[in-house]
Amino acid sequence: AQSVTQLDSHVSVSEGTPVLLRCNYSSSYSPSLFWYVQHPNKGLQLLLKYTSAATLVKGINGFEAEFKKSETSFHLTKPSAHMSDAAEYFCVVSGAGSYQLTFGKGTKLSVIP
Amino acid sequence: EPEVTQTPSHQVTQMGQEVILRCVPISNHLYFYWYRQILGQKVEFLVSFYNNEISEKSEIFDDQFSVERPDGSNFTLKIRSTKLEDSAMYFCASSSDRVTSTDTQYFGPGTRLTVL
Repeated sequence: AQSVTQLDSHVSVSEGTPVLLRCNYSSSYSPSLFWYVQHPNKGLQLLLKYTSAATLVKGINGFEAEFKKSETSFHLTKPSAHMSDAAEYFCVVSGAGSYQLTFGKGTKLSVIP
Repeated sequence: EPEVTQTPSHQVTQMGQEVILRCVPISNHLYFYWYRQILGQKVEFLVSFYNNEISEKSEIFDDQFSVERPDGSNFTLKIRSTKLEDSAMYFCASSSDRVTSTDTQYFGPGTRLTVL
């Protein structure tokens, strides 16, 4: 069984300041981990994915995430927030032998000008 | 860039009615999925589909639900007799022909289903 916990339902940052969205996972297998973003009235867009290669994963729009097995974490970061980053972010896990994605509850990111 | 499309964007129906939600996956993809998100809750897996068969389904996907690939481009989700609790955003996704669970699933914009 696998699960994902996003530790914050809402994060608010000022434009130009760093972003940290926290995610912890639980998986019986070596997991594949993803971050998806959803802008209002848009679909779920893949930001980045970890699939057991490098533990630091770079994604689109300056986002990156670090896989830490010892902490079972996969936090999403960005050095400098932009207004266009305001959206909902989902941490997602899939397990070996299954195509089923398991989603966290999402973190809504607000960016204050 | 190719994308998954879904129609309609919003569907309103009466309880007990049948609804069909439509999706056009990315053209060279062979794996197809449906997920749903009830307002305020997590996105939940419903079903995956490959080679004209269901490959996985969740407990949510009971006999009221069915999926079909009626032609070479569309992928549909049918709910036979809608209940109030079926009100949700339904997402379609597709992934490429590589047989690996790490392959990326690309999502459509969703269909918001409202059951009255």
